[in-house]
Amino acid sequence: EVQLVESGGGLVQPGGSLRLSCAASGFSLSSYAMSWVRQAPGKGLEWVSGISSSGGTTYYADTVKGRFTFSRDNSKTTLYLQMNSVTAEDTAVYYCARGGAWGFDYWGQGTPVTVSS
Amino acid sequence: DIQMTQSPSSLSASVGDRVTITCRASQSIANYLSWCQQKPGRAPKLLISAASSLQGGVPSRFSGSGSGTDFTLTISSLQPEDFATYYCQQSYTTPYTFGQGTKLEIK
Repeated sequence: EVQLVESGGGLVQPGGSLRLSCAASGFSLSSYAMSWVRQAPGKGLEWVSGISSSGGTTYYADTVKGRFTFSRDNSKTTLYLQMNSVTAEDTAVYYCARGGAWGFDYWGQGTPVTVSS
Repeated sequence: DIQMTQSPSSLSASVGDRVTITCRASQSIANYLSWCQQKPGRAPKLLISAASSLQGGVPSRFSGSGSGTDFTLTISSLQPEDFATYYCQQSYTTPYTFGQGTKLEIK
C-alpha cells in the first residue's frame, strides 16, 4: 500500500526556519517525481515545489524560490522541504504528493505550518 | 505562468443530477490536465489524469474530456459522497497550477 506521511510542521516565528519531512512507503521512491503542495486556511491548492525521480532537478513556485529547498534521500525513502525566511503567507497545510507530469496520484495527510509571533 | 480558470466557483445540485465543471487554461496544455476531489479536512484525491483517464477505483460516473485549453469534468448522476470541492490542475509545465476550485453543495 502506497503511503506518504508528512511530519515536521508546527508553529514558527516570522523569519524562522522549519524542515518538513515526507516518509514514503509501498513503492519505489526512486522511480517517481514528487511534489509539495500547500493549502492556506480556507483557500485553494498551491503547488510549491517538485523534484525529479533522481533528485537532480528541482522546481519551485516563485512565491518560495530562494527560500525553500526540496531534497530527497532515496536510500532513506524520505523527502524534505527546508523552509527558510518564512512569512505569514507561508501558513498552510503542506502535502507531499507523488507524481509530476501526469498529476498527483497519492497524497499524504498533510502537516500544518503556522507562521506567527 | 499558466492560469487555470474553473467555472462555476460553486454549484448547488441534487442527488441524481448530472453536473459539469469546466476548466480553461490560459494557453494550450495538450492533455496535461488532472482533476482532483477534496473533502473538508482531507487530502485531495486524484480522479482523472491526462484529461480523460479515470484513476483506478474511481466510479465510472466521473468522466473528463477536452484538450488544448478547454476541459470538462462531468458527474453523470450525483451521489451523496460526491459533494466536495473539485480542482483542475495543469502539469504541462512548472509551476504546476491549480484552478481556484468548484465547491459542489447539496441543494
